Amino acid sequence: EIVLTQSPATLSLSPGERANLSCRASQSVSSYLAWYQQKPGQAPRLLIYDASNRATGIPVRFSGSGSGTDFTLTISSLEPEDFAVYYCQQRNNWPPITFGQGTRLEIK
Amino acid sequence: EVQLVESGGGLVQPGGSLRLSCAASGFTFSRYSMNWVRQAPGKGLEWVSSIGPSSSRLYYADSVKGRFTISRDNGKNSLYLQMNSLRAGDTALYYCARDLGIDTYWDWYFDLWGRGTLVTVSS
Repeated sequence: EIVLTQSPATLSLSPGERANLSCRASQSVSSYLAWYQQKPGQAPRLLIYDASNRATGIPVRFSGSGSGTDFTLTISSLEPEDFAVYYCQQRNNWPPITFGQGTRLEIK
Repeated sequence: EVQLVESGGGLVQPGGSLRLSCAASGFTFSRYSMNWVRQAPGKGLEWVSSIGPSSSRLYYADSVKGRFTISRDNGKNSLYLQMNSLRAGDTALYYCARDLGIDTYWDWYFDLWGRGTLVTVSS
């Protein structure tokens, strides 16, 4: 089973700042990685798939990069509604598909 | 409106059974693979099970294999999860989620989620 490790566990930033969230895989997942956003009391929302493709309706300030074992989700300029928990997910060796443990993005 | 609505959760004793349902609307349910993903209180996401559009392919996480059964009824636009031999560790919010791919293409990314139904296993 592929283990995804997200860092940092918590990221404290201010609106307007740039956010970089990291996801590292225990073995290569090629480009088969997605990012989700989850706000309190809500279901997750797909942001990025195949490492760098934005899902339908996702603002351009969200971008993904990386391949192999190291991936980054970048939010270019934080909006108030972006403060949430973010999860990465791999689908290279399925099943099982696995998720990271999450990064909490909080307002500084 | 495109949506998924889960139901069937509740409080059950260890060793008991529960059947979850997910009603789909606003899209052609029969063309998509479907999934169950759970989230224990205050914890992260865990994939549970997946089923192909025609039910010909079924997949389970090791943690639920042999105890849970996924199924679907395309005529009723519904997905199900039969959960037997429930344990305290199965306590979670269970989400129904649609695969991003359509027809025979299985993407294993989830682009539409329900609000979840809470399963609590406790004596």
